[in-house]
Amino acid sequence: NAGVTQTPKFQVLKTGQSMTLQCAQDMNHNSMYWYRQDPGMGLRLIYYSASEGTTDKGEVPNGYNVSRLNKREFSLRLESAAPSQTSVYFCASSETVFGAAGDTQYFGPGTRLTVL
Amino acid sequence: DQQVKQNSPSLSVQEGRISILNCDYTNSMFDYFLWYKKYPAEGPTFLISISSIKDKNEDGRFTVFLNKSAKHLSLHIVPSQPGDSAVYFCAASAASGTYKYIFGTGTRLKVLA
Repeated sequence: NAGVTQTPKFQVLKTGQSMTLQCAQDMNHNSMYWYRQDPGMGLRLIYYSASEGTTDKGEVPNGYNVSRLNKREFSLRLESAAPSQTSVYFCASSETVFGAAGDTQYFGPGTRLTVL
Repeated sequence: DQQVKQNSPSLSVQEGRISILNCDYTNSMFDYFLWYKKYPAEGPTFLISISSIKDKNEDGRFTVFLNKSAKHLSLHIVPSQPGDSAVYFCAASAASGTYKYIFGTGTRLKVLA
């Protein structure tokens, strides 16, 4: 049981380049999330998808777009990368949106992105 | 403004002793709290949670205490083991609204053998 998988694990981009971070879960969860983690800060929500076919902005959505491709997959796209987007990105999933009624989020291993 | 604060960036404890990790919050609407544990190069994993209707929840060596009047929660690990060395994040959510989790900045625990 793979849980939540993310690709790639590491990526280096130049300013202005674009890329897509991929995430997939095999737990049949309805909700999926993208977070970023920066030094000295907690995980901050970028975008989330409460269910297949819906996406919503989180706390720090600027500079990102997302696609909920199907129930399993939720991708994060940087159209024009900036050094401020250097971070570790985590994808997560849960049965119910944001773990309502005691549900919890399961996280992927992360993608370490550096933008030069 | 940081709504969930972990004021101790790091903590060192001897193996076998108690580890106490603290977390403070400012939003009185938060009613569900979680602790996550994170090893290097891995994603956070769920450890333990507590609802605001309780003041204590235990799971093996891990106990979470909630003091609603002080807006404070703590995670106790007894006895601490070297394998507990990790970064611990607390997170909070509110049942009203969108349930979004707000994470603290994390505390790095090192358990010394």
